[in-house]
Amino acid sequence: GDSVTQMEGPVTLSEEAFLTINCTYTATGYPSLFWYVQYPGEGLQLLLKATKADDKGSNKGFEATYRKETTSFHLEKGSVQVSDSAVYFCALSEGGSEKLVFGKGTKLTVNP
Amino acid sequence: GAVVSQHPSRVICKSGTSVKIECRSLDFQATTMFWYRQFPKQSLMLMATSNEGSKATYEQGVEKDKFLINHASLTLSTLTVTSAHPEDSSFYICSAKATSTDTQYFGPGTRLTVL
Repeated sequence: GDSVTQMEGPVTLSEEAFLTINCTYTATGYPSLFWYVQYPGEGLQLLLKATKADDKGSNKGFEATYRKETTSFHLEKGSVQVSDSAVYFCALSEGGSEKLVFGKGTKLTVNP
Repeated sequence: GAVVSQHPSRVICKSGTSVKIECRSLDFQATTMFWYRQFPKQSLMLMATSNEGSKATYEQGVEKDKFLINHASLTLSTLTVTSAHPEDSSFYICSAKATSTDTQYFGPGTRLTVL
């Protein structure tokens, strides 16, 4: 079945550092790919998404590119802030399905 | 906009009792709501999908008689854990899909502890 694998955390960075959180997937078809973020005490929020190969999703300085050849959707940000501290989830949904398959989540802590 | 609430945020109950968790879309109508379960350091696992006014669709391996889901209105879905046991202790999260979009909006979750 479909699955998502993301790098284990926790990840601790200093403010203004470069962030990469790796995400790879296994799917039978051509899934849509998502990154969700969960701030402390809040529900998951959609951060960005990409629906086809080579698409780049971006939001709030975060970017991820849908790489079909490496089945990856790595999350990057050039300069993190303390307010980016949260848990980040990579997820996929298969062609038109409403069902989301999530990775285990990566906790990011950014220190001032 | 697009806020989803859950109540309670955490609950502790005795083994053998039933617990009801509410999921509400506060500012939009949700024809579809989803219930997930999350174990520590694990991913969210979809338990069931519920559509307003119809029976929920359960994922393989989820006991429908144990996890009762009711989606009685376009803004409310409930999950009842019946005859709870310690192994049911977990973090339960709901999401709601607005009729007009494909985006799921998530609640903050409910921590259930069964003693």
